[in-house]
Amino acid sequence: GAVVSQHPSRVICKSGTSVKIECRSLDFQATTMFWYRQFPKQSLMLMATSNEGSKATYEQGVEKDKFLINHASLTLSTLTVTSAHPEDSSFYICSAREGAEGGETQYFGPGTRLLVL
Amino acid sequence: GESVGLHLPTLSVQEGDNSIINCAYSNSASDYFIWYKQESGKGPQFIIDIRSNMDKRQGQRVTVLLNKTVKHLSLQIAATQPGDSAVYFCAEIPNAGNNRKLIWGLGTSLAVNP
Repeated sequence: GAVVSQHPSRVICKSGTSVKIECRSLDFQATTMFWYRQFPKQSLMLMATSNEGSKATYEQGVEKDKFLINHASLTLSTLTVTSAHPEDSSFYICSAREGAEGGETQYFGPGTRLLVL
Repeated sequence: GESVGLHLPTLSVQEGDNSIINCAYSNSASDYFIWYKQESGKGPQFIIDIRSNMDKRQGQRVTVLLNKTVKHLSLQIAATQPGDSAVYFCAEIPNAGNNRKLIWGLGTSLAVNP
């Protein structure tokens, strides 16, 4: 149980284009999903927290207009990197949490490797 | 805020030996702790968790120890196998003030020698 998927696993795009990454909880309903970014040999950096049906809460320094997050259902959240630039190249990871009654452990997706040329 | 590591400490062990990975956590008000395993190019995988009202918790081949006095968390892996090679992260959740978000440790790279 507690499986989270991400799609795509890898994406290469040209500078200036937008890229959408999907995060799905496959066998549970996720009231909260999190989006992280990870640089090589570093721990995960939280970008934003999204609750189903409400606006995402962004961490300090993360541009909400640059990284659009939509959590339209209890099993799907999307992250759109708009007008991507080479410095946006990174490993993006989502996680999902059932909520207070289902526990607060975050279960992670396999990650999406983004390369912006 | 979340801690971001600048480098990864490395632990190298022989296959079959026991491994101990240590973590110093930052917030004395944290009440929930989790160990994650991250293999190269993959997302973190939940290993084991422990709440602050416990000192020890055992899973399959893994044991987590919590010492609240010195804010120290450890992960013990018995009979370490090559498949255990990965980066291990501890994470904590403070009991108030941050919406139950994870605060990450720096991570330790475990290398298992056959």
